[in-house]
Amino acid sequence: RKEVEQDPGPFNVPEGATVAFNCTYSNSASQSFFWYRQDCRKEPKLLMSVYSSGNEDGRFTAQLNRASQYISLLIRDSKLSDSATYLCVVKKDWAGNMLTFGGGTRLMVKP
Amino acid sequence: EAGVAQSPRYKIIEKRQSVAFWCNPISGHATLYWYQQILGQGPKLLIQFQNNGVVDDSQLPKDRFSAERLKGVDSTLKIQPAKLEDSAVYLCASSLLKTGVNTGELFFGEGSRLTVL
Repeated sequence: RKEVEQDPGPFNVPEGATVAFNCTYSNSASQSFFWYRQDCRKEPKLLMSVYSSGNEDGRFTAQLNRASQYISLLIRDSKLSDSATYLCVVKKDWAGNMLTFGGGTRLMVKP
Repeated sequence: EAGVAQSPRYKIIEKRQSVAFWCNPISGHATLYWYQQILGQGPKLLIQFQNNGVVDDSQLPKDRFSAERLKGVDSTLKIQPAKLEDSAVYLCASSLLKTGVNTGELFFGEGSRLTVL
């Protein structure tokens, strides 16, 4: 089993739609969680951290379910510019900064 | 502030040849990473340095890959001899590491795209 698993997609949605991505992780001792965004042929960039209580940043909402080892990202009112690959990232421990990336979920927002 | 610099951006070689990639992290970032990203997959960690020491190289194919960060600043990743399956983008990233602070933010370079024929 992979450490971090995501549905590769692609998710094809119209502008204005709400779309949700899921991610599961295998190591119950994982400490921290993040979503990164990667545009086509570009480098990954941090989108947002995922906190235990859930957190929101504009149109983006991230949630964590430690019991089920599950992370989600919700995008409301999708824009064409949201088209990208969304990478789920898990950090194993507090002391270091060792991040494991999922395979990514590709989102395509169409007019 | 300058970002993570990588070179070369593109490299095409034949199998069994060797190649080297260079990375200069953001100034002051103690932690440096090399990731391999095969088309359609997420980045896979090859090696992580903390200053000039190796933190994790468990996924580095040590029979053909090597990496060094001699002075705790820039780093070189070498592949010798290359195989067809090494075709990928090699991403270098750096981060500030503060004990007890949950950063989670890596700053990536644009990557070095390797094609092995």
